[in-house]
Amino acid sequence: DVKVTQSSRYLVKRTGEKVFLECVQDMDHENMFWYRQDPGLGLRLIYFSYDVKMKEKGDIPEGYSVSREKKERFSLILESASTNQTSMYLCASRPGQGITPLHFGNGTRLTVT
Amino acid sequence: LAKTTQPISMDSYEGQEVNITCSHNNIATNDYITWYQQFPSQGPRFIIQGYKTKVTNEVASLFIPADRKSSTLSLPRVSLSDTAVYYCLVGGWNTGFQKLVFGTGTRLLVSP
Repeated sequence: DVKVTQSSRYLVKRTGEKVFLECVQDMDHENMFWYRQDPGLGLRLIYFSYDVKMKEKGDIPEGYSVSREKKERFSLILESASTNQTSMYLCASRPGQGITPLHFGNGTRLTVT
Repeated sequence: LAKTTQPISMDSYEGQEVNITCSHNNIATNDYITWYQQFPSQGPRFIIQGYKTKVTNEVASLFIPADRKSSTLSLPRVSLSDTAVYYCLVGGWNTGFQKLVFGTGTRLLVSP
């Protein structure tokens, strides 16, 4: 069974801090994604990656960056956290080929104070 | 990318069949329709996927009319544990990468 693991379930950070959210998948998937989820707004795509060192902006990339140095790991970086980045962050992965579903982690709830 | 429209919420009782309809008027020829379920404090989980007509698995059925401009997720005999948010997505999976768009989903509440 595919496992997508997010390193923290809850994080509390201060405004202006640099924040790293880590995601690891164990199924050798090419594609990895970062979403944020807010009440009334559903899931919105921040960034995605289709290969090591490759990345593409999603719908709301402002204030975020990503890193994918190894195939199994996809990191989301908040360069200078702000209160409007308080949210639930969800990581997902899927294989590069074929008609296959997304596999999600259980999320990291980030609070920026 | 095809946009989807779903009801914001639905209520049901245990043992009833629930049908959630999703509109996707500008679905492309190569697009598939996929449904996910999300419980509180968890990531979404894949339920079912289809291209046309009807697809059934152990959890649900998916009905897609010939014009493919809508689809209906059918949950037979729901229980309290089916209370969740259900998302309809439309996109192409065939080759390379496909950016997917989640809407706000349908919040299903099942009561005793």
